[in-house]
This record gives sequence, C-alpha cells and structure tokens, in this order.
Amino acid sequence: GQQLNQSPQSMFIQEGEDVSMNCTSSSIFNTWLWYKQDPGEGPVLLIALYKAGELTSNGRLTAQFGITRKDSFLNISASIPSDVGIYFCAGQRGKRDDKIIFGKGTRLHILP
Amino acid sequence: NAGVTQTPKFQVLKTGQSMTLQCAQDMNHEYMSWYRQDPGMGLRLIHYSVGAGITDQGEVPNGYNVSRSTTEDFPLRLLSAAPSQTSVYFCASSYSAGRPEQYFGPGTRLTVT
Repeated sequence: GQQLNQSPQSMFIQEGEDVSMNCTSSSIFNTWLWYKQDPGEGPVLLIALYKAGELTSNGRLTAQFGITRKDSFLNISASIPSDVGIYFCAGQRGKRDDKIIFGKGTRLHILP
Repeated sequence: NAGVTQTPKFQVLKTGQSMTLQCAQDMNHEYMSWYRQDPGMGLRLIHYSVGAGITDQGEVPNGYNVSRSTTEDFPLRLLSAAPSQTSVYFCASSYSAGRPEQYFGPGTRLTVT
C-alpha cells in the first residue's frame, strides 16, 4: 500500500536551533500537509501545500512541496520549548483517490 | 462551534464485545475520516467518507464498520472487539475531499482486555 516515510524518527536539539525534517513516498501526491500533535491531544494542522515547488510559511515554520511530488520538507527556525511534540506529514494523492494518509511522525525533543 | 467531538473519551471492553465510537462535527464538513494511533505507527486510516451516504475503506479497515447517514455524524463500530484493537482513535473532518485540511477530535482511548 501507499506509505509515507518520515525522517528522522526523533530529534534532540538545543533551544534556538533550527530543525529540518522530511517526508518521502514512492508515489506522487497532489497535496501535502504538516501537523503537530501535543501529548493527549489530536493533531493540529500547521501548513497545507497544493502545488509542486510551493514554499509556504507559518511563523517560524516553513514547508515545501517537492518538485517530484514525492516528497515534502518542514523546517522550524529558532526552536522554542513549546515546539516539543510529534510532527506528522500527511498526503493525498487525489485523482479519485481521496484518502489522506499519514507518516509515522518525527518526535522533537528540546534539551534545556 | 464545538468543532469535532468524540465520545466516549475512554472505554474498556472485553474481547468479543461490541461498541460504537461516536464522532460529530458542526462545521458542515463533507469529508470525515477515522484513524487509529498506536505507538511508533503514526496515524493509520481506518475508513473515510466524502459525503453523506458514501464511505470507503482506508489502510486498516478490518474489524470496523462505518456509516454516514448525516453530514454531521460518522460513527465507528467495532462488532467484536479484539485486543489488537486497543488504540487511540481519532476522528477528523475537512470541508471537502478537494480541501483536505482536516480538523481532529480529541480522541477516544480504547482498551480491549
């Protein structure tokens, strides 16, 4: 079946550092989405991407829709303690396949 | 707007019992979906619906049934619970299949003994 491969699985960084994570697939996706999940809560949408090559920012977060349509990237600049959580990518292939599937997540830890 | 609501928040079942997890949204969203979340596995799609009267299978549909008789409600039924169905279940909705920015409910934590 379709799979979204997210890396890294977890990250340990110092406060103030920049963070990069990515999501890849063997299939083409027409929409890429990035979510954050805090403990005990449902995921919350951060950024949605609809066009190959698109670069979109939301505050300190920037996400890109890869040109091949098989990958997407999320960067967080100048990390702060509240950035701790699990970041998920999600994708929708479209063209009569409307399923929205998720990667396994990247768990971000910030060292004091 | 309450957004996406899920009940119950916690549930313990014995093997073989049946139950329905409730999900409702008050945003007039056409698209709704159910996911399960297990440690290290991310969110796996169980079933989804692009509108009232239409449902389709996701990645892990076995052991679960859904129906969508109204736009607002999308219940998930476990006909005969198994320990492998112990998980956290999330319901989500979005405006339409073409606008898949989903809003998630708070989740139901299910334990099957």
